[in-house]
Amino acid sequence: GESVGLHLPTLSVQEGDNSIINCAYSNSASDYFIWYKQESGKGPQFIIDIRSNMDKRQGQRVTVLLNKTVKHLSLQIAATQPGDSAVYFCAENIEGYSGAGSYQLTFGKGTKLSVIP
Amino acid sequence: NAGVTQTPKFQVLKTGQSMTLQCAQDMNHNSMYWYRQDPGMGLRLIYYSASEGTTDKGEVPNGYNVSRLNKREFSLRLESAAPSQTSVYFCASSYRQSTGANYGYTFGSGTRLTVV
Repeated sequence: GESVGLHLPTLSVQEGDNSIINCAYSNSASDYFIWYKQESGKGPQFIIDIRSNMDKRQGQRVTVLLNKTVKHLSLQIAATQPGDSAVYFCAENIEGYSGAGSYQLTFGKGTKLSVIP
Repeated sequence: NAGVTQTPKFQVLKTGQSMTLQCAQDMNHNSMYWYRQDPGMGLRLIYYSASEGTTDKGEVPNGYNVSRLNKREFSLRLESAAPSQTSVYFCASSYRQSTGANYGYTFGSGTRLTVV
C-alpha cells in the first residue's frame, strides 16, 4: 500500500473552494466505510461514514460518495477552511456477525489537504 | 466528553524494557482496538477485544499482549521492547450491534513510543 507521511499524496486548495479527496478501496466485500481526519500530533477523528446500501451521504459541509462498481470513495468538503488542513484517511470494513475480519478497519493511504489562505 | 483516553502520551524505552499502555473509554462501547501507525505502513491492527472478556489477534500481534480489564479499559503490554516497536499507538472503540454493524468508531490521541 501507499506510504503514510513520506510519500503522501497532497491536495492544495484555496480557502473557500471545494475539496474532493478520493480513495480506492481494496475489498469488494467491504460494506462499511469511514472517512477520518488526522491533524498533526492527534488521533484520527471520525468525519462521516457510509454503508454499502447507500451511494451518497451528507454531513455538515461534507459529502461522501460511494461507487461500488469501481470500488471508489470520495469525500467532498464544501467551502474549505484553514482548519480543514490535515491528513484524510478512508477506512473500509466488512461487517457481519461472524468472522474476525469484521472487526478490522483497513485504512487507505491518506491524502494531505493543505488549505491556502 | 472524554471519549477515548490514552496514557502516557510519550514514552522512551530501552531495548528489553517492558511497559503497559493504558486505554479507557467512557462511551459504553463494547469493542475496543489497538492500532499502530508507522510512516509507510499506515494504521495496522495489533489486537482487538470484541467484548468484555474476549481478546483476539489482529494483523501485527507479535511482541504484544493485551488485557480487557473491564468494559471501559483495554491495555497493551510490551514485555520486551524492541526498536521495531517504535511507533505511534492508538486505541479505539466502537459500539457493535449483534448484526455486526459498527457505530461510533472513536480513536484516542495516541502514545508516541520510542525504543532505543
